[in-house]
Amino acid sequence: QQQVKQSPQSLIVQKGGIPIINCAYENTAFDYFPWYQQFPGKGPALLIAIRPDVSEKKEGRFTISFNKSAKQFSLHIMDSQPGDSATYFCAARPSGNTPLVFGKGTRLSVIA
Amino acid sequence: GAGVSQTPSNKVTEKGKYVELRCDPISGHTALYWYRQSLGQGPEFLIYFQGTGAADDSGLPNDRFFAVRPEGSVSTLKIQRTERGDSAVYLCASSPQGRTEAFFGQGTRLTVV
Repeated sequence: QQQVKQSPQSLIVQKGGIPIINCAYENTAFDYFPWYQQFPGKGPALLIAIRPDVSEKKEGRFTISFNKSAKQFSLHIMDSQPGDSATYFCAARPSGNTPLVFGKGTRLSVIA
Repeated sequence: GAGVSQTPSNKVTEKGKYVELRCDPISGHTALYWYRQSLGQGPEFLIYFQGTGAADDSGLPNDRFFAVRPEGSVSTLKIQRTERGDSAVYLCASSPQGRTEAFFGQGTRLTVV
């Protein structure tokens, strides 16, 4: 059973566009929802994270939208750049230091 | 400060051999995690340490896999009698006490031939 479902699997956008990546979860005990960015040959890097007590969080060009009732959250990248081309993973976990559960990833390509 | 360090970066081994993968977490981080990432997939949890003890090893696929963290800092993931299906990138992450953020190393790419 996949606890965090991520879509789409891949995404191509023009430079300046706003790619949106979606994730859905089932476990209502999850209360921490990070997004990671991974470049080829590198480990995942924490990008932005949200807790369910807020519906939106912005950090620079990255925004998380969170819908607790629908058990869904999404990543929006404003004014996307070719340097944003990477694989993005959503994740979730209950409170504390328990392990993260990851989605399968979205490969984003931003073309000039 | 230094991030999570994993050695070696790459390891090629023959089927049936024993391998050890090392993780040096961020200084002071009490929680340490091992994940495995297959091509085109998200990281999959293997084992989690809180201090020296394994708090959750439910992700270890079988008894050929074992991990230790004897002094609550560096951890070693040990794989016995390697199989071709063990080929993957093994990722280590650490978190500070009481915090939820997890920081990953660059991974060890294991290839079993």
